[in-house]
Amino acid sequence: AQSVSQHNHHVILSEAASLELGCNYSYGGTVNLFWYVQYPGQHLQLLLKYFSGDPLVKGIKGFEAEFIKSKFSFNLRKPSVQWSDTAEYFCAVIPNTNAGKSTFGDGTTLTVKP
Amino acid sequence: DTGVSQNPRHKITKRGQNVTFRCDPISEHNRLYWYRQTLGQGPEFLTYFQNEAQLEKSRLLSDRFSAERPKGSFSTLEIQRTEQGDSAMYLCASSLVRGGVADTQYFGPGTRLTVL
Repeated sequence: AQSVSQHNHHVILSEAASLELGCNYSYGGTVNLFWYVQYPGQHLQLLLKYFSGDPLVKGIKGFEAEFIKSKFSFNLRKPSVQWSDTAEYFCAVIPNTNAGKSTFGDGTTLTVKP
Repeated sequence: DTGVSQNPRHKITKRGQNVTFRCDPISEHNRLYWYRQTLGQGPEFLTYFQNEAQLEKSRLLSDRFSAERPKGSFSTLEIQRTEQGDSAMYLCASSLVRGGVADTQYFGPGTRLTVL
């Protein structure tokens, strides 16, 4: 069974600081990887996804993530955060062999101070 | 709004009662998923449908939980004989899947269940 680990439970940054949120997964086969964001009072929504090809993927609002297969990691980055990035961020994994069953990490709460 | 909708948004019930939640997916989506989320944790997979067929259920889904998607459109999740441990946010998501390849799941706002 797959699992997802997000090491940082709560991150506090000042505006313009750089962000990196860690995500490691455990699964022996090929996976598809996602980062979702949940802004206060809103639904979960997709930030970015990786299926294949270039391991550096770009998403909305200036976010990007890099898939490093050898490290089973899919870390999320943003060079300069804004107050509006305050939200909860979830990493998710779907194995290629079972496209229905996704596994989410426990999330990282990001607070950006103005 | 053509996104995923869920009703009710909040449900308070007494222990032992049955509750039913409804999810309306994005109309052209053929897959529908149910998750449960408790405070401080990510969404936890419960079950999913491809059209009207329920293809997988989590081992965590006890026999008190049942889900249906009778016509391949909306879905219901019923919890019988609710327990306080069932208190959680129940999330629904849908996606359009071709050839079995995973794609983006679009989430609804969730139904928050409180069992007293």
